[in-house]
Amino acid sequence: ELKVEQNPLFLSMQEGKNYTIYCNYSTTSDRLYWYRQDPGKSLESLFVLLSNGAVKQEGRLMASLDTKARLSTLHITAAVHDLSATYFCAVDWGGGATNKLIFGTGTLLAVQP
Amino acid sequence: DVKVTQSSRYLVKRTGEKVFLECVQDMDHENMFWYRQDPGLGLRLIYFSYDVKMKEKGDIPEGYSVSREKKERFSLILESASTNQTSMYLCASSFGSGIGEETQYFGPGTRLLVL
Repeated sequence: ELKVEQNPLFLSMQEGKNYTIYCNYSTTSDRLYWYRQDPGKSLESLFVLLSNGAVKQEGRLMASLDTKARLSTLHITAAVHDLSATYFCAVDWGGGATNKLIFGTGTLLAVQP
Repeated sequence: DVKVTQSSRYLVKRTGEKVFLECVQDMDHENMFWYRQDPGLGLRLIYFSYDVKMKEKGDIPEGYSVSREKKERFSLILESASTNQTSMYLCASSFGSGIGEETQYFGPGTRLLVL
């Protein structure tokens, strides 16, 4: 069975602290995605990771991919309140041009002042 | 910018009604998708389409059908709405090249309540 597991499911952080969200997946894949969802809003693409060892950074967020371990991480550096949202990882399992994704259950991040 | 629009943000329907959810994208994307999002379950794929009039079932197609008569428009149909179809419905589209950093772009979502 194809599975994408995220942990933790809920993360309460203080501003200024660092933390990591983990995404494990059970199938080989060409692409791994991280999305952000603000309350009541839709999903916004953050990162697309294509190859083993890929690392991407945007502001205080950094995503990495280890295809051998089937693990991706989303690292948050010096968290600020604006980062409060739900973060999803997703794996492209369809292959080819179909771009079919399986999503993790999401990590709700709450950054406290 | 890619724009994916959905016909309604909120809908309230009665059990047994036929419900149409419409999605339109303006970037000439080949692929379009319908998901439902429920707390603790993430996003689950209902149906997707990779070309006009072409469709494939996703993980949870039961109780749903879809229609894609034009490239830019993908409709989700609940033939006879039931209370367990109360959910947030998200439409997405992607280019369909199969290469590079292809990503799905999401619409704002439709929150459906079935009474």
